[in-house]
Amino acid sequence: QVQLVESGGGVVQPGRSLRLSCAASGFTFSSYGMHWVRQAPGKGLEWVAVIWYDGNNKYYVDSVKGRFTISRDNSKNTQYLQMNSLRAEDTAVYYCARGSRRDGYYMDVWGKGTTVTVSS
Amino acid sequence: QPVLTQSSSASASLGSSVKLTCTLSSGHSSYIIAWHQQQPGKAPRYLMKVESSGTYNRGSGVPDRFSGSSSGADRYLTISNLQSEDEADYYCETWDSNTQVFGGGTKLTVL
Repeated sequence: QVQLVESGGGVVQPGRSLRLSCAASGFTFSSYGMHWVRQAPGKGLEWVAVIWYDGNNKYYVDSVKGRFTISRDNSKNTQYLQMNSLRAEDTAVYYCARGSRRDGYYMDVWGKGTTVTVSS
Repeated sequence: QPVLTQSSSASASLGSSVKLTCTLSSGHSSYIIAWHQQQPGKAPRYLMKVESSGTYNRGSGVPDRFSGSSSGADRYLTISNLQSEDEADYYCETWDSNTQVFGGGTKLTVL
């Protein structure tokens, strides 16, 4: 069945880095855009970034531009989120989500999430 | 950039129906939106997309108790024959210029 599994979360000090991974299965990964979405404790959903099916187009929410990088390896059916210069306000559950078409579009499959805590 | 407005909370009795609203900001009334459900302590789940015409398409495995509709800038999610497991947060989503936008979410309580 269609599945997304995130990994790589943890506790990290402010200013440090972390890389999240999202392993996809059950569908042709290279045909879909992929998103990262986060949810701070007790808050709503916030879109973070999208990468198109071929990895050639990437877009970010303003608050992470210049600090986070989204990427994918279609040979491994995996997408990544490299998070640098982390701040306390980046603390959240990070979800991987499949876009419904090659350029992202709305999200139609979600992973279970991985928790990132930025604290000294 | 579109803005999506949702009521913060709603409640309805077990076995009844409830209609949740997501309102698109001015100038964006033609936009398609998607509805997502997030049960307590769980990841979000895609429910359906709703077009300005009122056409909706449920995701795989979503019960037909869930339906969508539209009127002007409003997009609706109607849940019939409410079950206890429908108690959840419901978010609407749209997109523009390669940016996704979520509404603030509606917390649905099943009485």
